[in-house]
Amino acid sequence: GAGVSQTPSNKVTEKGKYVELRCDPISGHTALYWYRQSLGQGPEFLIYFQGTGAADDSGLPNDRFFAVRPEGSVSTLKIQRTERGDSAVYLCASSPTGGDSGELFFGEGSRLTVL
Amino acid sequence: QKEVEQNSGPLSVPEGAIASLNCTYSDRGSQSFFWYRQYSGKSPELIMFIYSNGDKEDGRFTAQLNKASQYVSLLIRDSQPSDSATYLCAVNSYMRFGAGTRLTVKP
Repeated sequence: GAGVSQTPSNKVTEKGKYVELRCDPISGHTALYWYRQSLGQGPEFLIYFQGTGAADDSGLPNDRFFAVRPEGSVSTLKIQRTERGDSAVYLCASSPTGGDSGELFFGEGSRLTVL
Repeated sequence: QKEVEQNSGPLSVPEGAIASLNCTYSDRGSQSFFWYRQYSGKSPELIMFIYSNGDKEDGRFTAQLNKASQYVSLLIRDSQPSDSATYLCAVNSYMRFGAGTRLTVKP
């Protein structure tokens, strides 16, 4: 596809369950970002990949959150032992180069609801 | 201290007026600055970026950067109801965003 694709678009889960959110970036984009956005707030940075490696994971809130990008393309954000406070829209964005120079292209987001 | 700060608003202006949106940042080494627009229920989309001190104009939009004051702004001239959205300021170094300013343009 031409844009950033995120799946699922909506996920409802129960407290304590494990969740995976997938991001398929624009082909050829080396940089990939994950953000979390709560209602009325700006996107909260979680992690930034340059290729396969996490260049900055300082935004991950705790060790229940983990993200991978094994082949430098698709990325998966993994949340263990979900809590109600994890409910938010999780946005993925990709950029041709990343760092100082890149416009971010966002996916439509995955809305996570933890009951 | 937050890395990127914006007035959360909401900001309301009449149609045809100039809307002024402001952003300050803490990292003096920041080199590039971006303004994104986010409609309700949608993802952010880029409006403008600016790297150099001074003004940069693109149609009805003007971005202004003052690195000495660590301040960047966005002016929207001849505001239209379709400009009603949340405007997000983003600073390089892995793209930290401000909280956004919600703008409403009233017909």
